[in-house]
Amino acid sequence: AQKITQTQPGMFVQEKEAVTLDCTYDTSDPSYGLFWYKQPSSGEMIFLIYQGSYDQQNATEGRYSLNFQKARKSANLVISASQLGDSAMYFCAMREGTDNFNKFYFGSGTKLNVKP
Amino acid sequence: DAGVIQSPRHEVTEMGQEVTLRCKPISGHNSLFWYRQTMMRGLELLIYFNNNVPIDDSGMPEDRFSAKMPNASFSTLKIQPSEPRDSAVYFCASSFGTGVQPQHFGDGTRLSIL
Repeated sequence: AQKITQTQPGMFVQEKEAVTLDCTYDTSDPSYGLFWYKQPSSGEMIFLIYQGSYDQQNATEGRYSLNFQKARKSANLVISASQLGDSAMYFCAMREGTDNFNKFYFGSGTKLNVKP
Repeated sequence: DAGVIQSPRHEVTEMGQEVTLRCKPISGHNSLFWYRQTMMRGLELLIYFNNNVPIDDSGMPEDRFSAKMPNASFSTLKIQPSEPRDSAVYFCASSFGTGVQPQHFGDGTRLSIL
């Protein structure tokens, strides 16, 4: 089974509107971390936001928030008030456990296009 | 703070040549990862190190690929001999020790094998 699933290959959103990018994950480890990365057309991978499995509240970083639904094993990224600069590929990732011997699993990404 | 530093940013070479990609992780980070990204295959983990020791190299495509981490501040990924199908963007990333920490990526090396 896929560890990280992103079912939306591409999405469009109107500038200034909010958009939700879906991510579901699969793990039996009670300790894990969930991450979102942004990759603009220039190619770099930018860390956006992190959610720990034991965190009681959803993570927020500026216009980014993570809608964490543990029972459903989903970690959707919400971008509020979309800007043209938000157009990019977005990757969801997970790391299991609490030590450094575990690798990161990445989804296949969602390409977001923000329309003016 | 300096991020993950990769060199070169771009490399164009002919097939059969040896290619060496370099990475300097963020100071204090003790995990280092090498990824390859292509349109066809997406982002693939090649190998990762913890405290300079290779933990999992199952993603290395074949024996032509090798990676080393001689110390905490330097790693190399070598392809010898290179082939056109090795053309990709190669990323290095590092993360900090305890707990579940994000990894931070370098800007990548865009490799073209002619």
